[in-house]
Amino acid sequence: AQSVTQLGSHVSVSEGALVLLRCNYSSSVPPYLFWYVQYPNQGLQLLLKYTSAATLVKGINGFEAEFKKSETSFHLTKPSAHMSDAAEYFCAVRTNTGNQFYFGTGTSLTVIP
Amino acid sequence: KAGVTQTPRYLIKTRGQQVTLSCSPISGHRSVSWYQQTPGQGLQFLFEYFSETQRNKGNFPGRFSGRQFSNSRSEMNVSTLELGDSALYLCASSLSSQGGRGKETQYFGPGTRLLVL
Repeated sequence: AQSVTQLGSHVSVSEGALVLLRCNYSSSVPPYLFWYVQYPNQGLQLLLKYTSAATLVKGINGFEAEFKKSETSFHLTKPSAHMSDAAEYFCAVRTNTGNQFYFGTGTSLTVIP
Repeated sequence: KAGVTQTPRYLIKTRGQQVTLSCSPISGHRSVSWYQQTPGQGLQFLFEYFSETQRNKGNFPGRFSGRQFSNSRSEMNVSTLELGDSALYLCASSLSSQGGRGKETQYFGPGTRLLVL
């Protein structure tokens, strides 16, 4: 069965520091991979997605993620955290077969001024 | 361009009742997907509709059903509500498929928060 693991349910960083949110997936075939952000009382917003076009994917708000097949990872990074980055982040995978969608359990990012 | 809209935004029901939630996708989008978000189970995929046909279904009991109309608007129905159905129900739309094909982007609505008492 497909699964998505996000290491660290809570991550705190200082404003201006590097943001690193981890995501690992289980799949024998590289799937579509996504990172979403959710602000309180709102729906999800797509940050970026991997579709096999390029392993380094750049998204909105300065975020990027690198697909590493050998490590089955798709970690999200941002060089310099901003207060407005405080939110819940979800990694997700869509399988190539069956078109099923699976989400990680989410990582809550706190930015300390 | 209007975003994905969901109605109602908040809903309170009692056990055993049924509920219908509505989702209006972005104009031109034909794929509508539904998700359930709870503190305990997290985000889970319910089903996806495309051109009035259910294309994919997650692992939910038959009490959860949906449909899509010719204008791509979608409804989901939960019958015989249980306390565990209390959740935020999210709808998302995209041009052609869940998550978006290629460079397509999938857009989410703000959700309907359902409380079952």
